[in-house]
Amino acid sequence: AQSVTQLDSQVPVFEEAPVELRCNYSSSVSVYLFWYVQYPNQGLQLLLKYLSGSTLVESINGFEAEFNKSQTSFHLRKPSVHISDTAEYFCAVSDVGGFKTIFGAGTRLFVKA
Amino acid sequence: DTAVSQTPKYLVTQMGNDKSIKCEQNLGHDTMYWYKQDSKKFLKIMFSYNNKELIINETVPNRFSPKSPDKAHLNLHINSLELGDSAVYFCASSQGQGGRELFFGEGSRLTVL
Repeated sequence: AQSVTQLDSQVPVFEEAPVELRCNYSSSVSVYLFWYVQYPNQGLQLLLKYLSGSTLVESINGFEAEFNKSQTSFHLRKPSVHISDTAEYFCAVSDVGGFKTIFGAGTRLFVKA
Repeated sequence: DTAVSQTPKYLVTQMGNDKSIKCEQNLGHDTMYWYKQDSKKFLKIMFSYNNKELIINETVPNRFSPKSPDKAHLNLHINSLELGDSAVYFCASSQGQGGRELFFGEGSRLTVL
């Protein structure tokens, strides 16, 4: 069975500051890793994913995440946040070849002016 | 044209009633899901259908009954509603297994009084 732990429930940060949202996972099998974003009153949208290959993956809006197998982590970073990045961010894991995607408890990123 | 659409968006009902939520996807995906998001934003998988076959059935009370009449539709019927059923229910779809992006609907907010 897999599990996902997001270490921070809320992260307040000032606009243009860097941010890191932490995610650790546990699994007895190989997994794929994801970050999803949820804006208020909306469904989740994929931000980025790691399937294989380069351990650093990037999104189109400046976020990046690095897969660290030894530390079983997949932290999300952005060097300079905008007000519009305020949202709930979910780390997720699915087993290779399976259908189940398990989500972490979410981290609320709040960007202040 | 909405990719994953759910109806209704809001339901308010009394304890003991029965209610249904409908979901349709026009992405041509073969797998559909129901997730429950509680008041703390925790997202938990409930059911998944692949090509109309039930493949994931988490520890959900049997008051919840999913039905997939075809690959593009997945409905959720809930009998004898309880206060603890109050949540946002998300439908999602994906193509294939493992590592596939989930596409979410906008959610159906159920309030049980």
